[in-house]
This record gives sequence, structure tokens and C-alpha cells, in this order.
Amino acid sequence: DTEVTQTPKHLVMGMTNKKSLKCEQHMGHRAMYWYKQKAKKPPELMFVYSYEKLSINESVPSRFSPECPNSSLLNLHLHALQPEDSALYLCASSSRLAGGPGETQYFGPGTRLLVL
Amino acid sequence: GQQLNQSPQSMFIQEGEDVSMNCTSSSIFNTWLWYKQEPGEGPVLLIALYKAGELTSNGRLTAQFGITRKDSFLNISASIPSDVGIYFCAGSSGNTGKLIFGQGTTLQVKP
Repeated sequence: DTEVTQTPKHLVMGMTNKKSLKCEQHMGHRAMYWYKQKAKKPPELMFVYSYEKLSINESVPSRFSPECPNSSLLNLHLHALQPEDSALYLCASSSRLAGGPGETQYFGPGTRLLVL
Repeated sequence: GQQLNQSPQSMFIQEGEDVSMNCTSSSIFNTWLWYKQEPGEGPVLLIALYKAGELTSNGRLTAQFGITRKDSFLNISASIPSDVGIYFCAGSSGNTGKLIFGQGTTLQVKP
């Protein structure tokens, strides 16, 4: 089973709203990731968590706030977003941050976010 | 920083034709991954390569990890309409979790 689930599938929010994206995996993976993807472009890394600790923050604006409550769950809290933040937000997981098969990332289906 | 050059950018082919796409890097990678993404969905892993020279197949798909560790190719044989999508290569050179993605190859198949 290589399934990563994400909710919601679609989200529309105003610039003053607060919302959260959720990601879950039950593969026993200890590394989880958030990506942002614009249409027809490759995914752009936002955050990396390793063993529930933030490992990488790719200079993401503070209006995006990640949280890893446990080894299976990853959240992305959204607040005061801008229209240019509209995109597909992808979650991924891998066994661990190590060379070889351990670093192979498996993606979820994504959350399509529209900021009005 | 590291960059991946993926080509071609797009392909429009007839059903039944073979397809080849490749990625080249200015630096060495330890892992090469190939993903397919369909509209509105997340990337799906097709093939993972971990050793220089490795040749791996997955049904009609074949991928190779270049011997110089700076390139990889993906071949699709006897294409069918459901092969339509965007194919991304991705490489990793360390233990940081950072994948470097190519810009993608958009494949369209005419029945």
C-alpha cells in the first residue's frame, strides 16, 4: 500500500479566512512533505518533516504554517492568503531522509486551492 | 543550484508508437525517479532507479539510470490513449529529502 490521502480535494477561501489542509499516510513513513504546484509546472517544495520535526522550510511566507501532530499526519494551516497562492497543494511521504529506496517519495492526490 | 533539463517539452504521437524522453543534470544524482501526472491528480510514481547503469521496466515502461549518474531516460512502448499526461523526472543527490524536478514532458496520444 503506497497511499497518501489528502483532504479536502477542493477548497475555496477568502483572503481573511483561516483553513487547514490535511494529509495522512499509514505506510510507516517518517518523512513527510508539502509541495505547491502551479498548472503545467513541476511541484515546488515548501516544507519537509523528518520524525515529526521540521527539517526544511524553503523560505515559505508565514501565512503558511505546517504542523506534524504525529508520524501519520501532516497539516498545513492557511491564514490571510493571497490570490497568487491559488494552486494544487501536494503532500508526499517517504520512508526516511536517506539515500536509496528510503527517499522515494509518494504523492497524495492534492488539494486544489482557490483564493478569492 | 542544481537543474534538470527534461526533453522534449511536449509530444503528440499516434497510438501504437514508441515514446522516449530524457533528463540531464549538471551534477550527479544518487536516485532518479519518474512520475506521471494526470489533470487534477497528484504525481504517480512509475519507476525508481538507485544505481548507475540500472535498467528497470514496469510493463510497457522502461527507464535507465545513466552510467555518468547525470542522466536518465524513460521509454514507453506501444503507446495507448491512457498514457496521456505529464511525465516528470526527479533526481536526488543527498539525504535532505529535496527532489530536483524536470520541467515535464506533456504527452498526447492520438487514437
